[in-house]
Amino acid sequence: DIVMTQSPDSLAVSLGERATINCKSSQSVLYSSNNKNYLAWYQQKPGQPPKLLIYWASTRESGVPDRFSGSGSGTDFTLTISSLQAEDVAVYYCQQYYRTPFTFGPGTKVDIK
Amino acid sequence: EVQLVESGGGLVQPGGSLRLSCSASGFAVSDNYMSWVRQAPGKGLEWVSVIFSDGSTYHADSVKGRFTISRHNSKNTIYLQMNNLRAEDTAVYYCARALDYYINWGQGSLVTVSS
Repeated sequence: DIVMTQSPDSLAVSLGERATINCKSSQSVLYSSNNKNYLAWYQQKPGQPPKLLIYWASTRESGVPDRFSGSGSGTDFTLTISSLQAEDVAVYYCQQYYRTPFTFGPGTKVDIK
Repeated sequence: EVQLVESGGGLVQPGGSLRLSCSASGFAVSDNYMSWVRQAPGKGLEWVSVIFSDGSTYHADSVKGRFTISRHNSKNTIYLQMNNLRAEDTAVYYCARALDYYINWGQGSLVTVSS
């Protein structure tokens, strides 16, 4: 199975400041035949289901604010919130959909400092 | 508009069975691959199972042999049959529609396994 790890476990950032979350996969999730990274990011607020933010490692889902961006390739990925807003307080998960089981990272909790 | 509505959760004793349903609208479950993902209280997301458009299925090791994902195309519904339930299966169970990545999620159905 592909193991997903995230760092940090939690972080607190001042409003308007940058938040950076890292995700690492135990094996590459880059599919060479189409040069796509099978990596997604989700946001989950308390009492709500997860919401898709980013797919193919860097493609923003429709309607997601452009302060959210994804980067990375192979085994190392990053989700960046360029200017943290109050409504961004949530837990963020990465997930690989390269190979079953489609494993999730343990999550990173983002709070306001 | 795509909608996923889970039902069938509740309280069950250890060793018991439960069947979750996920009713879909706005798309055909047979044309997508569909998954179940669970979340234990206060914990992270755990991938449970998938049914692909060709009908093939895969389950996480933690539920293999006890849980079965299936679908009913004419009802546009997917199911999760859960047998021999354990306390550690207590969680909110979400169904999700995938375009590779999980684009749509239901609101979840709570399953509590306790005597």
